[in-house]
Amino acid sequence: GQQVQQSPASLVLQEGENAELQCNFSSTATQLQWFYQSPGGSLVSLLSNPSGTKHTGRLTSTTVTKERRSSLHISSSQTTDSGTYLCAIAKRSNYQLIWGSGTKLIIKP
Amino acid sequence: DPKIIQKPKYLVAVTGSEKILICEQYLGHNAMYWYRQSAKKPLEFMFSYSYQKLMDNQTASSRFQPQSSKKNHLDLQITALKPDDSATYFCASSQEGQGAYEQYFGPGTRLTVL
Repeated sequence: GQQVQQSPASLVLQEGENAELQCNFSSTATQLQWFYQSPGGSLVSLLSNPSGTKHTGRLTSTTVTKERRSSLHISSSQTTDSGTYLCAIAKRSNYQLIWGSGTKLIIKP
Repeated sequence: DPKIIQKPKYLVAVTGSEKILICEQYLGHNAMYWYRQSAKKPLEFMFSYSYQKLMDNQTASSRFQPQSSKKNHLDLQITALKPDDSATYFCASSQEGQGAYEQYFGPGTRLTVL
């Protein structure tokens, strides 16, 4: 089965609303990263958060390692936040990143 | 200035030909990686190198050969190209290859095989 599952698959919000994205993983993860993939395809690392809570700008990630889940909260969403958000984990065995299928976020003006 | 350079940005090839995808990183990292993103599939890991040595290879086909001529270079040679090889190929790097280090990604090379 898929080792990294993201939900929802897609999310449509009005500008200004908050977004909550979920990532569940089936293996112990030594690293967890959230990425943004633009409609053009470029990939940007947003947060590295293997455990605990981290903030950067309007983004907050909370990872509960024992429960094998992470969330990404985007506050006061903007139309420029539209794109696909990817969660990826690395296992201790080989440190390669294993990816979820992503959440496609659409922010309407 | 871009910290990870991938060339070319777009590449069109014919079935059976050979191409080389270029990757250079200027982050001072010791580990480099290749990932592939095919249409409607999650990104998948291909190779990892640490200090110019192959660490892990998850690519079943020998048609894919990474080449590291310098510490900050990791090119990807693909031979006998097939339409199924069409994908965006991302190069990444991290400070070290062992340990929970954050990986940084290049802009990708979008390969189309006709």
